[in-house]
This record gives sequence, structure tokens and C-alpha cells, in this order.
Amino acid sequence: SAVISQKPSRDICQRGTSLTIQCQVDSQVTMMFWYRQQPGQSLTLIATANQGSEATYESGFVIDKFPISRPNLTFSTLTVSNMSPEDSSIYLCSVVPGGSNQPQHFGDGTRLSIL
Amino acid sequence: GEDVEQSLFLSVREGDSSVINCTYTDSSSTYLYWYKQEPGAGLQLLTYIFSNMDMKQDQRLTVLLNKKDKHLSLRIADTQTGDSAIYFCAESISGNTGKLIFGQGTTLQVKP
Repeated sequence: SAVISQKPSRDICQRGTSLTIQCQVDSQVTMMFWYRQQPGQSLTLIATANQGSEATYESGFVIDKFPISRPNLTFSTLTVSNMSPEDSSIYLCSVVPGGSNQPQHFGDGTRLSIL
Repeated sequence: GEDVEQSLFLSVREGDSSVINCTYTDSSSTYLYWYKQEPGAGLQLLTYIFSNMDMKQDQRLTVLLNKKDKHLSLRIADTQTGDSAIYFCAESISGNTGKLIFGQGTTLQVKP
């Protein structure tokens, strides 16, 4: 399975600022995703990070709020823009290594608190 | 739309077996997963089962899949205090897009 590193692991940010979260994988992966886990809740898919093209966003999530980059097959970033307290969540990167018949693995997540 | 349901809480005594149940709606799901989340940690893939299987066993873990009833269960034998965590059931959405739909998570409490 792939080793997934997320940075930062946690942060406390001021309202109105933006934070970029990095996801680094130790091998090339076909699929990378970003999920959000609000306090005490389950995980919700934000978007699929597509290499070399714009990310595919799920209903309720927009590019202006959550811009995503994926410059290559091992790296992606998620930016949480113009943050408000409602954005306080854990943000998790996940990958499908190898072929599409492989299970999905998650990073340790970024714990974000907005004051 | 797609939906995954789990009971929210289960309490067992150390050494007993734990059974966590999950129901899902997408009959064309290719994979069904169990993830474990310990406090302050990310998601750890515990096990998964392909939709054409009925059962999968991996050491203390047994997964049972009833496709007719769209019911998935995770049995943990000889439950230990280190098994205390939140367990998430997830189904993959048909079309192999990689999107997962997660249940609400079941908090497993193991009493010594």
C-alpha cells in the first residue's frame, strides 16, 4: 500500500484567511481524493484531484472555496479559502494506488480549527 | 441517492466478540470497506470485500456480505481494549470513479 503524508497535521487559523494542505504519496497513484470530516461526523468527498486538469467537485463544494492542484501523480494540494468557523474539520487526502481495483487508502488528515 | 447506515454505538467486554453492522443502498457497489479511526488519527483500512464474495476472513476479522439484503457486517473476535475506536463502513459507487460513501461510524467501546 502507498504511504501518504499530509502537511500540516493540524493548524489554528484566523477567520478570513486561507490555508493550503499538502498531500504527498511515496509512489505514483492513479486517483487522489480530498474528503472532509466535520466534528463528530462521517466523511464527505469534496473532490477528485485530476492530474493535469481541473478537479471534479461534488455537489455542495466549489472551486473558489476549495481550489485543488495536482501537478503530478504523487502530489496534490487543497486550499481552504476565506475560512470561517464552519470550516473547522479534519481534511483527509486519499489515494487509490496502482490499478482501479485497489482499495482506497487515507492519510492521517489535517485538523483545522478556525477562530 | 446512495446511503450507508450504521448503528452509532457498541459496547463489549474484553475477550468477547464484537459485531458491527452496516446496510447500504447501491446494489451495484463493487467494493465494501471497513475503516478504523482511533482518537486523533486518520482512517486505517481494516479490510474490504469485493461484491461477488460472501465472506472474507483476516486473522481476528470476519466480514460477511449479504447482497440480497444489502447488509455488511464486521466481526472482531477476542476483542481487545486496543480495538476501541470508531469503525466506518463505506461503499464504492458504481462506475469505478473511486468515490466512497461512508456510514456515520460505529463507536466501539471495549470494557476491561
